[in-house]
Amino acid sequence: GDSVTQMEGPVTLSEEAFLTINCTYTATGYPSLFWYVQYPGEGLQLLLKATKADDKGSNKGFEATYRKETTSFHLEKGSVQVSDSAVYFCALAQNNAGNMLTFGGGTRLMVKP
Amino acid sequence: DTAVSQTPKYLVTQMGNDKSIKCEQNLGHDTMYWYKQDSKKFLKIMFSYNNKELIINETVPNRFSPKSPDKAHLNLHINSLELGDSAVYFCASKQMATGELFFGEGSRLTVL
Repeated sequence: GDSVTQMEGPVTLSEEAFLTINCTYTATGYPSLFWYVQYPGEGLQLLLKATKADDKGSNKGFEATYRKETTSFHLEKGSVQVSDSAVYFCALAQNNAGNMLTFGGGTRLMVKP
Repeated sequence: DTAVSQTPKYLVTQMGNDKSIKCEQNLGHDTMYWYKQDSKKFLKIMFSYNNKELIINETVPNRFSPKSPDKAHLNLHINSLELGDSAVYFCASKQMATGELFFGEGSRLTVL
């Protein structure tokens, strides 16, 4: 079946540092790929997505590129802020009606001032 | 207006009890889900409900039963609660055009 693997956290960075959170996937066909973010005490919310190979999703300074050849969707941000501290989830979904989203294990990011 | 709302937000109960968590979405989506998040933040799909069709995850004990009175609601009933049921349960609905999931804020269940 489909699966998503993320780097284990926590990732601890100083403010303004460069962020990379690795994500690789195993899936048949051409799934859509997502990054969700969960701030403390809240539900998950969509951060960005890409629906086909070579697409780049971006939002709030975060970016991720859908790499079919390496089955990866790494999350990057050039300069993190304390407010970016959260748990980040990589996920994939097959483009079938009603199909479930498959999540990675989540990566906790802690940004120190 | 909250798009996906869950109640209660916190639930503390004794082993062996039966409890329910309610979920409502006002987005007009046809597909809803229940996820379980453990203490390590790992998210596990429990159920998917799409236009009256329930898709059950085979690893979920039959003590868990979803109920959908209409398209906007997907409730979760749990019988004979066990310590291992302690977790945060998230309801979500899916926007079919984009595949995006919209999550509720979660219901933290603690079984003593």
